[in-house]
Amino acid sequence: AQSVTQPDIHITVSEGASLELRCNYSYGATPYLFWYVQSPGQGLQLLLKYFSGDTLVQGIKGFEAEFKRSQSSFNLRKPSVHWSDAAEYFCAVGGSGGSNYKLTFGKGTLLTVNP
Amino acid sequence: ETGVTQTPRHLVMGMTNKKSLKCEQHLGHNAMYWYKQSAKKPLELMFVYNFKEQTENNSVPSRFSPECPNSSHLFLHLHTLQPEDSALYLCASSQIGLAGQYEQYFGPGTRLTVT
Repeated sequence: AQSVTQPDIHITVSEGASLELRCNYSYGATPYLFWYVQSPGQGLQLLLKYFSGDTLVQGIKGFEAEFKRSQSSFNLRKPSVHWSDAAEYFCAVGGSGGSNYKLTFGKGTLLTVNP
Repeated sequence: ETGVTQTPRHLVMGMTNKKSLKCEQHLGHNAMYWYKQSAKKPLELMFVYNFKEQTENNSVPSRFSPECPNSSHLFLHLHTLQPEDSALYLCASSQIGLAGQYEQYFGPGTRLTVT
């Protein structure tokens, strides 16, 4: 069964600082990996995705993520955080097997940005 | 309208009421999903429809009844709910292809309060 672990429940950074949110996954084959962001009371917005190819993927809002198969990780990074990045971030894994219509989400990491 | 829309955005209902949540996707996708998001819990997949056929019912109580009349519309009919059913209900859609799962696009959600 596939699973996702986001080890950090809550992270606080200062505006302008760099950010890295961790995500570890468990999946038997090549995973499809996603990062979503959710502002309070809103739905989830797709930040970026990895299916194959270059292991460093660029997304919207200046975010990037790196797929490391050896570490089963897909960490999200941003070089300089803006106050508007304060939100909850979810990592998700999907696959190409029989249950290819399902995504498994992590529990999320809440990001607070200090001025 | 673009993307995935949900109505109403907020709903307060008593335990004896009957109400329905509506979701519409304008992306031409062939799969639609209902999720429940409660505080402090991971995102819970409730139902999946693939080409209008229900392909997943994640042990959801019968007081939740989904309906998918066509590939663009999805409803969640609610009756005799419990206070613990209060949550944010999210609708999503995706294009499922032979190559596997693709990203899901979410609506803004319906905030449901059961009194």
